[in-house]
Amino acid sequence: DVKVTQSSRYLVKRTGEKVFLECVQDMDHENMFWYRQDPGLGLRLIYFSYDVKMKEKGDIPEGYSVSREKKERFSLILESASTNQTSMYLCASSSSSTGSGNTIYFGEGSWLTVV
Amino acid sequence: QQQVKQSPQSLIVQKGGISIINCAYENTAFDYFPWYQQFPGKGPALLIAIRPDVSEKKEGRFTISFNKSAKQFSLHIMDSQPGDSATYFCAARIGGGADGLTFGKGTHLIIQP
Repeated sequence: DVKVTQSSRYLVKRTGEKVFLECVQDMDHENMFWYRQDPGLGLRLIYFSYDVKMKEKGDIPEGYSVSREKKERFSLILESASTNQTSMYLCASSSSSTGSGNTIYFGEGSWLTVV
Repeated sequence: QQQVKQSPQSLIVQKGGISIINCAYENTAFDYFPWYQQFPGKGPALLIAIRPDVSEKKEGRFTISFNKSAKQFSLHIMDSQPGDSATYFCAARIGGGADGLTFGKGTHLIIQP
């Protein structure tokens, strides 16, 4: 089974802190994504990466950055956390191979509270 | 901006009934339409998906109906069970999917026993 692992499930951080959310996938997928999920707003794409060291902005990149130094690992960084970044963050991955159907697989989420 | 509009926001169905969730899209370049199911405390998981060259796809009690001319697609859950209670998201994608999915805002489904 595909496994996308988000190491931190629940975090509480103070305003202004730098926050790292880590994600690892074990299926050698080329594509990785960070989404944010808020009630009534669905899932919104923050950043995505289609290769090591490559990154592209999604729909809501402001206040976030990402790092992909290894194929299996994709990190989301909040340089200076703010209360409006309190949310659930979902990491996901998919293969670029069309034969796989390009299914996107999600981790179980990281609940971040900024106080 | 690419959009996928999902309705209703919440839905209560009696056990054994049919649950229907609808989505509409604007961008005709979308070529893949998945539905995801999410239980509390878990990440979304792919439930069923369809491509625009077919009008219907069925997997067990779950069916996607697709209307290309109307730019609409819907999820039907037959014989709904309490275990189907979850949040459902429709989504759409262009091309190979390297830039991810565009999601609807979700439907919170409750199946009453």
